[in-house]
Amino acid sequence: GESVGLHLPTLSVQEGDNSIINCAYSNSASDYFIWYKQESGKGPQFIIDIRSNMDKRQGQRVTVLLNKTVKHLSLQIAATQPGDSAVYFCAADNYGQNFVFGPGTRLSVLP
Amino acid sequence: KAGVTQTPRYLIKTRGQQVTLSCSPISGHRSVSWYQQTPGQGLQFLFEYFSETQRNKGNFPGRFSGRQFSNSRSEMNVSTLELGDSALYLCASSFSADSYEQYFGPGTRLTVT
Repeated sequence: GESVGLHLPTLSVQEGDNSIINCAYSNSASDYFIWYKQESGKGPQFIIDIRSNMDKRQGQRVTVLLNKTVKHLSLQIAATQPGDSAVYFCAADNYGQNFVFGPGTRLSVLP
Repeated sequence: KAGVTQTPRYLIKTRGQQVTLSCSPISGHRSVSWYQQTPGQGLQFLFEYFSETQRNKGNFPGRFSGRQFSNSRSEMNVSTLELGDSALYLCASSFSADSYEQYFGPGTRLTVT
């Protein structure tokens, strides 16, 4: 089955800088990927998604990049703000049966 | 539109007891998935229900079970609780079984002593 990992468990960035959070997945057949944000005491919140037939998708201040060759996914947050401080998870579909989540990266925004 | 609600938010139980957690999906959503979140294992899929039927199940022992009612509300039950069952249990709803967009509730924090 699918397994998902992240490169860094924690990331600290200065307010106003760009943040990049990385994720690796194992199943080349995964068709759909999602990034979630989880704030303390809350459930994961959908940020942005991307299908395997795309390599880039942009939202409001966020961009997801998908490199299927090396099975790598990244989330870029532009002009990081204090409200962006949270744990970020990537998730990959597992043969359409369910989603497998990465371990999460805790993003801390420094003033 | 109200989000996914989970009750109770916090629960303390003793080893050997059983527990039932409840989830009310977003109005109109018919698919409900349950996840266990722990610091060591992260978010792990438990099971998914759609139209009162379990569609998928993760790799958890039979002590973990669930059901879905005709109004799409779902419950999960854990019997013979173990210390390792202490976790945040998250429920997520989606419009249909084929919809990838899941909306999570705030979770139920279960502590087993």
